[in-house]
Amino acid sequence: GENVEQHPSTLSVQEGDSAVIKCTYSDSASNYFPWYKQELGKRPQLIIDIRSNVGEKKDQRIAVTLNKTAKHFSLHITETQPEDSAVYFCAARRRGGRRALTFGSGTRLQVQP
Amino acid sequence: NAGVTQTPKFQVLKTGQSMTLQCAQDMNHEYMSWYRQDPGMGLRLIHYSVGAGITDQGEVPNGYNVSRSTTEDFPLRLLSAAPSQTSVYFCASRTTGGEQFFGPGTRLTVL
Repeated sequence: GENVEQHPSTLSVQEGDSAVIKCTYSDSASNYFPWYKQELGKRPQLIIDIRSNVGEKKDQRIAVTLNKTAKHFSLHITETQPEDSAVYFCAARRRGGRRALTFGSGTRLQVQP
Repeated sequence: NAGVTQTPKFQVLKTGQSMTLQCAQDMNHEYMSWYRQDPGMGLRLIHYSVGAGITDQGEVPNGYNVSRSTTEDFPLRLLSAAPSQTSVYFCASRTTGGEQFFGPGTRLTVL
């Protein structure tokens, strides 16, 4: 089945700096790659996603890039703010077969004011 | 729309007890899933369903049963609770090709 690896497990940045979280996946049939943000005690919420026919997608301070050949995708957060502090999860889902998301192990991002 | 709802929010069980975690969605989503979340391990898929009457196992199905008799409901049954099942459980749903929405979670402790 699909295996998604995520790193780093923790990331501390200064307010205003950029943060980058990277994920690799194993199943070449995966075609959908969402990123979720989870605040303490809350449910995961989708912040951005990308499909395999696109190399990059941007939404204000957040961007995701996908390299299908290398089977990796990354989340980029620019101009970080204290409210960006949370745990971020990447995930992958394949076309057909088990059509459920497989998640990475998460990155705890702390933005220092 | 209420979205994805889960009950109870918190539950404490003794080893060997059984219980059902409830999940419902009012968005007419075909796909529903159950995940457990443990520290440092992300969200692991327990069972999922692609429509009423159809269920399949995920990565960690042992000790859990599911059924999907209606589009709206997807209960998760713990047959004989064990301390290793102490976790936070999330139910999720989505439509074909759509965003996956999570419920608020159930925090389960097995003593």
